[in-house]
Amino acid sequence: QQPVQSPQAVILREGEDAVINCSSSKALYSVHWYRQKHGEAPVFLMILLKGGEQKGHEKISASFNEKKQQSSLYLTASQLSYSGTYFCGTWYGNEKLTFGTGTRLTIIP
Amino acid sequence: DSGVTQTPKHLITATGQRVTLRCSPRSGDLSVYWYQQSLDQGLQFLIQYYNGEERAKGNILERFSAQQFPDLHSELNLSSLELGDSALYFCASSVSEGTQYFGPGTRLLVL
Repeated sequence: QQPVQSPQAVILREGEDAVINCSSSKALYSVHWYRQKHGEAPVFLMILLKGGEQKGHEKISASFNEKKQQSSLYLTASQLSYSGTYFCGTWYGNEKLTFGTGTRLTIIP
Repeated sequence: DSGVTQTPKHLITATGQRVTLRCSPRSGDLSVYWYQQSLDQGLQFLIQYYNGEERAKGNILERFSAQQFPDLHSELNLSSLELGDSALYFCASSVSEGTQYFGPGTRLLVL
């Protein structure tokens, strides 16, 4: 089942913060976050394993709420280079990764 | 650079034709996945192979087929092409079923 991402799109000014959510209807083993720039391939950002672990990558971090079957991606002090479409991929342990519909993030100066 | 290679980068062809897209996975990865991405759309999963065997099928048209060879490279064959088949086609690979690493894609334009 495809995870649900919210919001579908967000526009920020440089320096502002954003949160992107990814929700699943069934128990997750892991959540994978990707960013895709227009016309380019999706690039792997980070993986969250069940257990409420929070990870960080520069000013981009994520959390995994096992009870809610939800992961959130946090972008702080956004930079122009953060623009792109963010996809979450959910893994249930015995199937392929299933990608969400994506969240388009636009950063304006 | 993800380590996944795809050829060709661009392909322009006419309706009704047949094309073959090629993908070489990262060294050591046994799984290969194919995705279609139309303009400003999400990633539509087509098919997955694992160590030469078909593992999962998504919304792949009957006109499309794929295979994975003993050296683990994969080919996606698209036949009787229609205008609506114009899209970016991505290949991704993974060690098992987890994190996928994407190739640069093949941009197909059907005229």
